[in-house]
Amino acid sequence: EIVLTQSPATLSLSPGERATLSCRASQSVSSYLAWYQQKPGQAPRLLIYDASNRATGIPARFSGSGSGTDFTLTISSLEPEDFAVYYCQQRSNWQTFGQGTRLEIK
Amino acid sequence: QLQLQESGPGLVKPSETLSLTCTVSGGSISSSSYYWGWIRQPPGKGLEWIGSIYYSGSTYYNPSLKSRVTISVDTSKNQFSLKLSSVTAADTAVYYCARHFRAAKVSFFDYWGQGTLVTVSS
Repeated sequence: EIVLTQSPATLSLSPGERATLSCRASQSVSSYLAWYQQKPGQAPRLLIYDASNRATGIPARFSGSGSGTDFTLTISSLEPEDFAVYYCQQRSNWQTFGQGTRLEIK
Repeated sequence: QLQLQESGPGLVKPSETLSLTCTVSGGSISSSSYYWGWIRQPPGKGLEWIGSIYYSGSTYYNPSLKSRVTISVDTSKNQFSLKLSSVTAADTAVYYCARHFRAAKVSFFDYWGQGTLVTVSS
């Protein structure tokens, strides 16, 4: 089983700042990694697939990068609605998710 | 716009079987390249994939749950269903259904239902 480890667990930033979230895989997943955003009481929303492709309707301030075992989700300038929990997800033999990074307002 | 909606009992007794249905509207469950999946989230915790099904009936499951899980599809009703047997309190979670794009090694969930809380308690 491939384990995804996200860091930091919690990230405290202010609107307008740049956010950098990390997801590390226990073995290579090539570029087959997705990112999701989840707000309280809502279902997750797909942001990024294949490490760097934005899903339909996702603003350009969200970008993904990385390959192999190290991946990054970057939010270039935080908007108030971006404060949420973010998960990464991969598929090896089966789907696994990271434990999440909570992005909170400082 | 594709929409998914979970339905089923919100309370299940320990040792019994949890049964949920996901109704898909705004699109066909028989679309190629798309599986249909179930994911759960215990209160205050992260996401766990349960399993996915293709419209043909082909399934694959999370190995940690495989012995207790059955996912089925009814293309005539544009629905797919989850059964989880021998439930315990550890199965208390919000259960989501989702459209699952899966091709080669690419995999992601692009449309989700709103989720339904299932509590296991006597």
